[in-house]
Amino acid sequence: SQQGEEDPQALSIQEGENATMNCSYKTSINNLQWYRQNSGRGLVHLILIRSNEREKHSGRLRVTLDTSKKSSSLLITASRAADTASYFCATDEKGAGKSTFGDGTTLTVKP
Amino acid sequence: SAVISQKPSRDICQRGTSLTIQCQVDSQVTMMFWYRQQPGQSLTLIATANQGSEATYESGFVIDKFPISRPNLTFSTLTVSNMSPEDSSIYLCSVEGAGLAGVKFFGPGTRLTVL
Repeated sequence: SQQGEEDPQALSIQEGENATMNCSYKTSINNLQWYRQNSGRGLVHLILIRSNEREKHSGRLRVTLDTSKKSSSLLITASRAADTASYFCATDEKGAGKSTFGDGTTLTVKP
Repeated sequence: SAVISQKPSRDICQRGTSLTIQCQVDSQVTMMFWYRQQPGQSLTLIATANQGSEATYESGFVIDKFPISRPNLTFSTLTVSNMSPEDSSIYLCSVEGAGLAGVKFFGPGTRLTVL
């Protein structure tokens, strides 16, 4: 089974609004990553947050990590139509180099 | 960052046949990962391929069905053997960035349809 669960499964918003996606996981982790995938193509790495970090920013992206709750959130501010994609969280467990992916959130940003 | 190419980009195959997917990286990497993404689903790790040793398969995946080669530090192949329609998926090659622990880079994927 997948390590992570994401919610919502699908999110539809208007351009300019903020989008928040949540990810929960089950085991102890070294880090958590967020990726974007456009139309079934290869994944693009967005941001990585380490287990000893609580918040990280990159441009319009803000990621939080709560290791006590085993959860993370991705906030995209001032969304654009080009942000329309599927977003996945992935975790690297302690002692393993492989990444395990969550179920993903499909974001639609309407112009 | 690492630039990854995959061949073929897509293929349509008959059941019972096999397809070998190639993954080429523009830099030397220790570990390469093969993922499967079934239609509308998330990514599932098939195996981790280290150069010079046998691949490590995840639960539910076996070497007879998904043999992997890793002849050097920039190249790997995944074969999908004795295919059935259930193997129709996108197959993705991934590596970890040099000096960027945890950051994974992905190839564009191979879209496989089995009839």
